Amino acid sequence: SQQGEEDPQALSIQEGENATMNCSYKTSINNLQWYRQNSGRGLVHLILIRSNEREKHSGRLRVTLDTSKKSSSLLITASRAADTASYFCATMNTGFQKLVFGTGTRLLVSP
Amino acid sequence: GAVVSQHPSRVICKSGTSVKIECRSLDFQATTMFWYRQFPKQSLMLMATSNEGSKATYEQGVEKDKFLINHASLTLSTLTVTSAHPEDSSFYICSAQDPGGPYNEQFFGPGTRLTVL
Repeated sequence: SQQGEEDPQALSIQEGENATMNCSYKTSINNLQWYRQNSGRGLVHLILIRSNEREKHSGRLRVTLDTSKKSSSLLITASRAADTASYFCATMNTGFQKLVFGTGTRLLVSP
Repeated sequence: GAVVSQHPSRVICKSGTSVKIECRSLDFQATTMFWYRQFPKQSLMLMATSNEGSKATYEQGVEKDKFLINHASLTLSTLTVTSAHPEDSSFYICSAQDPGGPYNEQFFGPGTRLTVL
């Protein structure tokens, strides 16, 4: 399977704390994307980082990418209860053909 | 961002019946659409790539005769689950690829929850 892996599988924190999720993948990529999914709903695109980028910020989100280790991390700072969701990384291969999703991290932020 | 819709959002059917799910790109033309399946508490798994005007490309292990895909226009792809069985119960999500973007970005529909009794 080409599916990437994420850890932790589940993360439970208090509001105001930071949440870090990690993603590892297996193939050469053009870019890596992070998505959020609320329970039973569709995907919300959060951020895209290209293979030649090492770090990217968007609001309270910070994404890093280490292509030598084939890994990425998503940091959510000052978390809120509304951040409770599942988070998936997805890699786009160098042929721009298809997205391969990671296994996901279920984040629970308690008030 | 671009908008992709799916219809229906939820469907319950009896075992042995066929169910059609529609995926539409509302404000852009998509030559390529993708169909994913997601079982509870699992990730999205790509089922097939739908190409306008040609046959779909199925991922390994996905039965093309069971999951019929038609991409008859640049804004519509349909997935028909034929002779559905309880094990086909899942969340089906489509995405449409925007060919005008720099990264061939995919925009996702809201998903269709299929329950087969």
